[in-house]
Amino acid sequence: DTGVSQNPRHKITKRGQNVTFRCDPISEHNRLYWYRQTLGQGPEFLTYFQNEAQLEKSRLLSDRFSAERPKGSFSTLEIQRTEQGDSAMYLCASSSDKVGSYEQYFGPGTRLTVT
Amino acid sequence: AQSVAQPEDQVNVAEGNPLTVKCTYSVSGNPYLFWYVQYPNRGLQFLLKYITGDNLVKGSYGFEAEFNKSQTSFHLKKPSALVSDSALYFCAVRDIYNQGGKLIFGQGTELSVKP
Repeated sequence: DTGVSQNPRHKITKRGQNVTFRCDPISEHNRLYWYRQTLGQGPEFLTYFQNEAQLEKSRLLSDRFSAERPKGSFSTLEIQRTEQGDSAMYLCASSSDKVGSYEQYFGPGTRLTVT
Repeated sequence: AQSVAQPEDQVNVAEGNPLTVKCTYSVSGNPYLFWYVQYPNRGLQFLLKYITGDNLVKGSYGFEAEFNKSQTSFHLKKPSALVSDSALYFCAVRDIYNQGGKLIFGQGTELSVKP
């Protein structure tokens, strides 16, 4: 078990371009979460998957954002037509759905800079 | 609405002294509470959780936290601080109204331990 991994670790893009991030959760975890963290703030929830089903999306997730988890394993987060306000750290987390296992394990994050 | 608050943006402690990082919560019903630590340019690492049972919970790296229902607090403590404990600490509560159990984070407290 190597923990949650995210790629890329850093992404610099120009305004208006599309970007895609990948998250590989801990292998036996069937719950996967995406959060966004801006400087000086705590992470804010974006979306949640139970296996391959996307069960919740935050109001923070505008129409330009889409997330998938096609086979219930890795997940991708795509941002279309990026804006400077999208600059942030994007964090992925996973957890088990076993009773009592409520903690989430986070990846190292992808830092997005939109110029 | 459920929330957590970390009233101190920064805590300064001398190495070897006890440390406390404060967290208060506002939830309906029984809270599920967590502490995470974040080192620069890294994801969040799980430290400990309170779900039920003993009010004093022990976690990683010698940290512990005390759940106090009457004061709605969940302060993080360590008897003897190390320079390597310097990092950003986040308190979080699990959203019990959310199927997936998303976490709601405080704004973070920067801990600085000086030699």
